[in-house]
Amino acid sequence: AQRVTQPEKLLSVFKGAPVELKCNYSYSGSPELFWYVQYSRQRLQLLLRHISRESIKGFTADLNKGETSFHLKKPFAQEEDSAMYYCALKGDTGFQKLVFGTGTRLLVSP
Amino acid sequence: DGGITQSPKYLFRKEGQNVTLSCEQNLNHDAMYWYRQDPGQGLRLIYYSQIVNDFQKGDIAEGYSVSREKKESFPLTVTSAQKNPTAFYLCASSNQISYGYTFGSGTRLTVV
Repeated sequence: AQRVTQPEKLLSVFKGAPVELKCNYSYSGSPELFWYVQYSRQRLQLLLRHISRESIKGFTADLNKGETSFHLKKPFAQEEDSAMYYCALKGDTGFQKLVFGTGTRLLVSP
Repeated sequence: DGGITQSPKYLFRKEGQNVTLSCEQNLNHDAMYWYRQDPGQGLRLIYYSQIVNDFQKGDIAEGYSVSREKKESFPLTVTSAQKNPTAFYLCASSNQISYGYTFGSGTRLTVV
């Protein structure tokens, strides 16, 4: 079974502090991992994908197959980063659909 | 301007009534999805469709029904059999899923 775990419901940091949103997954095959973000009053949108190895808005995430993790990191948080973040997984067999975690709300205070 | 349109934005339903949520996309995407978003539970898959005239149940399909008569449209009906229908419903579409989904803006359904 495919499962995504985001252990923190809320992460509160001060502006300029480092941020790490945790994501662990359970999947026996070769997964693809994604981070989605939902800003206030905006639709859910893709932030980054592990296969592209990109940095978006200063965020990075590395797939660690040994620890089955895909944590989202940013060295210096900004107030505009405050949002709901979802980690998602796509398996490599069957119909291609995403399994989402329960989400972490990031609150960046001035 | 390409995208996904969900309507209405807010919907109120009396207990015992069926309601239909609209989802239209002009992205020429083959696959479409319906998720339910509840606080603390993330997004849970209700139904999905790979191609026209074909759809499959997701993890929480009970009390819901869908149709896919056109590539652009994937309406979701919340029936009276759904025990807890008050929620935020999200529609999404994709072609190559490695590029992720495109989401609609959602419909908030409230049973009164």
